[in-house]
Amino acid sequence: GAVVSQHPSRVICKSGTSVKIECRSLDFQATTMFWYRQFPKQSLMLMATSNEGSKATYEQGVEKDKFLINHASLTLSTLTVTSAHPEDSSFYICSARERVGQTEAFFGQGTRLTVV
Amino acid sequence: LAKTTQPISMDSYEGQEVNITCSHNNIATNDYITWYQQFPSQGPRFIIQGYKTKVTNEVASLFIPADRKSSTLSLPRVSLSDTAVYYCLVGGDTDKLIFGTGTRLQVFP
Repeated sequence: GAVVSQHPSRVICKSGTSVKIECRSLDFQATTMFWYRQFPKQSLMLMATSNEGSKATYEQGVEKDKFLINHASLTLSTLTVTSAHPEDSSFYICSARERVGQTEAFFGQGTRLTVV
Repeated sequence: LAKTTQPISMDSYEGQEVNITCSHNNIATNDYITWYQQFPSQGPRFIIQGYKTKVTNEVASLFIPADRKSSTLSLPRVSLSDTAVYYCLVGGDTDKLIFGTGTRLQVFP
């Protein structure tokens, strides 16, 4: 299947700083990318959906000024957690769908963010 | 988006066949049914997808009855490495991917 690469896999940052997570589709062009976060023993919670070249659509309750999503190209989307706080510590996962008409999506390996 | 309902957890032993059923009573005409597997601290991995009847690949089978209001993921002869969380998702090609609670499968030796 198609490969989605997420980087970094693990990051520790100080409270108040910003962290950027990259999500790349390595062998296909992703028209749509999804960002999730997952707390221990819980399911994936959709944060936002982004389409290449347009603004991301955020789910209710997700602060768009805190979680900045950029989908600048068909192979790269970034999530920046701004002014991170300990409660933002979580597992963040991206997903990419290749084209309209495709229902299958491919997921990155995830990023474990720890804010200290 | 059709909501899905799955058992929270299931236990099995190595070598047994495991069937996980997902209910999706409000499935729409253009919705597909997709199953993902997730190991701890990893992103979900695609297992199988279907629209109707039966689909089989090298790792699993997916059974979908005629009314499509449910589906069953069948894992033949599970091993310890199949211990994971399994998610059933229902949606069309432009829909958001919304995850339900998933089924935590524990395989014992």
